[in-house]
Amino acid sequence: QSALTQPPSASGSPGQSVAISCTGTSSDVGNYNFVSWYQQHPGKAPKLIIYEVSKRPSGVPDRFSGSKSANTASLTVSGLQAEDEADYYCSSFAGSNHVLFGGGTKLTVL
Amino acid sequence: EVQMVESGGGLVQPGGSLRLSCAASGFTFSSVWMSWVRQAPGKGLEWVASINEDGSQRYYVESVRGRFTISRDNAKSSLYLQMDSLRAEDTAVYYCPRDTGYYTFVYWGQGALVTVSS
Repeated sequence: QSALTQPPSASGSPGQSVAISCTGTSSDVGNYNFVSWYQQHPGKAPKLIIYEVSKRPSGVPDRFSGSKSANTASLTVSGLQAEDEADYYCSSFAGSNHVLFGGGTKLTVL
Repeated sequence: EVQMVESGGGLVQPGGSLRLSCAASGFTFSSVWMSWVRQAPGKGLEWVASINEDGSQRYYVESVRGRFTISRDNAKSSLYLQMDSLRAEDTAVYYCPRDTGYYTFVYWGQGALVTVSS
């Protein structure tokens, strides 16, 4: 099983929206609605920001939203703020008690 | 408050062994699956292993199967990772996030750094 595919980088200006994709296969992203997104600032532990494709944990701003179409999931960050600059990772349940992560996307706020 | 505290990391030579521990608090440890996830320096996240509530089911990523053993002590609310035959590519920060279902990792500790080098 290979890692999920994410673009290595993304960027946007403050106030803009940016979308990050996460491409898997019909055995993982396309087959289960258990896609999560994590935000990680340098030197910090990952933080869950989206789970089950589009649900937000308590305390996560509604500027963060998730969606899925076929084998590709997406994270959209609206109204970009400076503190959104971080690495973002997607993950998907892959059956047989395995989980796959994406390679990560570095989001830069210009 | 949910807390995960990893310990036991350090420098070890290739071929050596190390045992990581994870002390959990703030939730009913014996009722949840637990996992180890690692992150090599400057790299992405990688799931390593998972164990069910009573320890009867264990799952591993292919690259560590046969070398790593995940275990738990519910009486101590603790999770362990015994790592044998360590390789340079095992160098990483190891996290023990709490799984709230289908590998959704809500709570993370600060991790334990394992460095495999001669």
